[in-house]
Amino acid sequence: DAKTTQPPSMDCAEGRAANLPCNHSTISGNEYVYWYRQIHSQGPQYIIHGLKNNETNEMASLIITEDRKSSTLILPHATLRDTAVYYCIVRVEEYSSASKIIFGSGTRLSIRP
Amino acid sequence: DAGVTQSPTHLIKTRGQQVTLRCSPKSGHDTVSWYQQALGQGPQFIFQYYEEEERQRGNFPDRFSGHQFPNYSSELNVNALLLGDSALYLCASSLQWYSTDTQYFGPGTRLTVL
Repeated sequence: DAKTTQPPSMDCAEGRAANLPCNHSTISGNEYVYWYRQIHSQGPQYIIHGLKNNETNEMASLIITEDRKSSTLILPHATLRDTAVYYCIVRVEEYSSASKIIFGSGTRLSIRP
Repeated sequence: DAGVTQSPTHLIKTRGQQVTLRCSPKSGHDTVSWYQQALGQGPQFIFQYYEEEERQRGNFPDRFSGHQFPNYSSELNVNALLLGDSALYLCASSLQWYSTDTQYFGPGTRLTVL
């Protein structure tokens, strides 16, 4: 699986959009970009994933550059409950969702009132 | 629909002892993966069970072993505990052959080795 690079920490004002960047310059054509977050002392929570098209769900939007070497997770209206460590992960999907997840150090996002 | 559950929530052991952690997967899931998360680090993959067999394994010594039962629940066993085994142990469940699904994590078991 390709390696990802994320800033160690970021902060954002409550109510504003939080944009979390991730670099994955060695990503392969069959590797997906996944985002998880982990609120303090809880298990990681799946947020969103994509291959090459931009994706949106009820939690966030994922913007993947055309060359797929980087992506941005967007939380459109950040709240205090979005304070967490956010992990950007690249995984080979193949035909099984059960492949292991390799976590990096993630980005610690702090939302300020 | 119950999510992934783990027990116990917290555990304190001494060096050299053995510990067993338990995990019940999300309803409908057949695969269980275990992760170790040391303080301040991301989770590290230990191993994965499917059809009661270990299918994948990370870089962990043989002191770490597991089991999966016919009802898909799983146990993680750690023998000869070391201080460095102190961590949050996470269980994740998924469907083995459903490519659009993802892994769902439980709340974890906090193990402290004294």
